[in-house]
Amino acid sequence: AQSVTQLGSHVSVSEGALVLLRCNYSSSVPPYLFWYVQYPNQGLQLLLKYTSAATLVKGINGFEAEFKKSETSFHLTKPSAHMSDAAEYFCAVSGATNKLIFGTGTLLAVQP
Amino acid sequence: ETGVTQSPTHLIKTRGQQVTLRCSSQSGHNTVSWYQQALGQGPQFIFQYYREEENGRGNFPPRFSGLQFPNYSSELNVNALELDDSALYLCASSVEGVNLAKNIQYFGAGTRLSVL
Repeated sequence: AQSVTQLGSHVSVSEGALVLLRCNYSSSVPPYLFWYVQYPNQGLQLLLKYTSAATLVKGINGFEAEFKKSETSFHLTKPSAHMSDAAEYFCAVSGATNKLIFGTGTLLAVQP
Repeated sequence: ETGVTQSPTHLIKTRGQQVTLRCSSQSGHNTVSWYQQALGQGPQFIFQYYREEENGRGNFPPRFSGLQFPNYSSELNVNALELDDSALYLCASSVEGVNLAKNIQYFGAGTRLSVL
């Protein structure tokens, strides 16, 4: 069985500050891990995907995530927040099938 | 812009009615997955279609059904609508049969269904 837990349903940062969104996973098989972003009234856009090729994954818009097997974590970071980063972020896991299991999401607010 | 289009964008139905939602896949994609996203929640997997056959199903009752057409477009049908069916329904297209490491689902903007 697979699951994802996102700690913090709401995160607020100042523009220019570090963004850290937390995700912990559970998987009985080697996981594929994803971060998606959802802007208001839009679908999901893939930020990045972990495929076991490298533990540090770089995505779009300056985001990156580090896979830590010992901590079963896949936290999303960005060194400097921009106003346009305000959105909802979802962590997801899949295994041997192409079915995505999502977390409950983290709403990121960026203050000027 | 993912190339995945869904229609309609918004829909209002009453309890007990039936609804059909449509999805057009990204060019070259042969697999469609449907997800339900209730307000304040993450998307939940409903089912997936590959080569016009159901290829996996989540924890949803049989009144949720689907179709995939030869051109890989898809429909989600929900019968006997309940108030709890109110949600954003997302369609995602991908390519089955490739290395899972390279398999990415591309999402449409969704259909917002309200059941009154």
